[in-house]
Amino acid sequence: DSGVTQTPKHLITATGQRVTLRCSPRSGDLSVYWYQQSLDQGLQFLIQYYNGEERAKGNILERFSAQQFPDLHSELNLSSLELGDSALYFCASSVAGTTTDTQYFGPGTRLTVL
Amino acid sequence: DQQVKQNSPSLSVQEGRISILNCDYTNSMFDYFLWYKKYPAEGPTFLISISSIKDKNEDGRFTVFLNKSAKHLSLHIVPSQPGDSAVYFCAASSTGAGSYQLTFGKGTKLSVIP
Repeated sequence: DSGVTQTPKHLITATGQRVTLRCSPRSGDLSVYWYQQSLDQGLQFLIQYYNGEERAKGNILERFSAQQFPDLHSELNLSSLELGDSALYFCASSVAGTTTDTQYFGPGTRLTVL
Repeated sequence: DQQVKQNSPSLSVQEGRISILNCDYTNSMFDYFLWYKKYPAEGPTFLISISSIKDKNEDGRFTVFLNKSAKHLSLHIVPSQPGDSAVYFCAASSTGAGSYQLTFGKGTKLSVIP
């Protein structure tokens, strides 16, 4: 158990809908990262937050947004969903958010868009 | 453009023998490299890392070798155990200012046969 929790575990929805994925980092970690893993793909970095502020942005679509709240939990919002958005979404956390910080991953949320 | 490549999708090894997982990268700015292990239905778990100032890092049965001139790294597991059966992801980052993201390969599925 990494100490990172993600809810829900599974999510099935229809095209055009909007969903929210939630992540609680390990106690004491200030930085949260979101990754997407599509079928047969590696983990694609989406976005990073540090202590409530956006720190780095990767291949995140404009239909996707995220935020980190004062209690340090984070939410990833996916809107106008398309079939291709079906994937595993992982959240990770680290203490200080630097590149040599170990990132601890949650178990992921599996999103299926029908 | 895949900056981190794991060209072998799968690898089978007998228990007790050496497992060698390979990874190539193209971005010369990468200077920090990591291996993560992932079991089904779990998030990736950090295994071992290496900075570009070193060419080898060891942790128990796991050793990572870095060949900067060839832009190649490898993970050696000796001896391999059935519990090592998992998907192994290679990841890289640049520790230069303003860069915080990890770039992952697509993974290699290791099967250790008892």
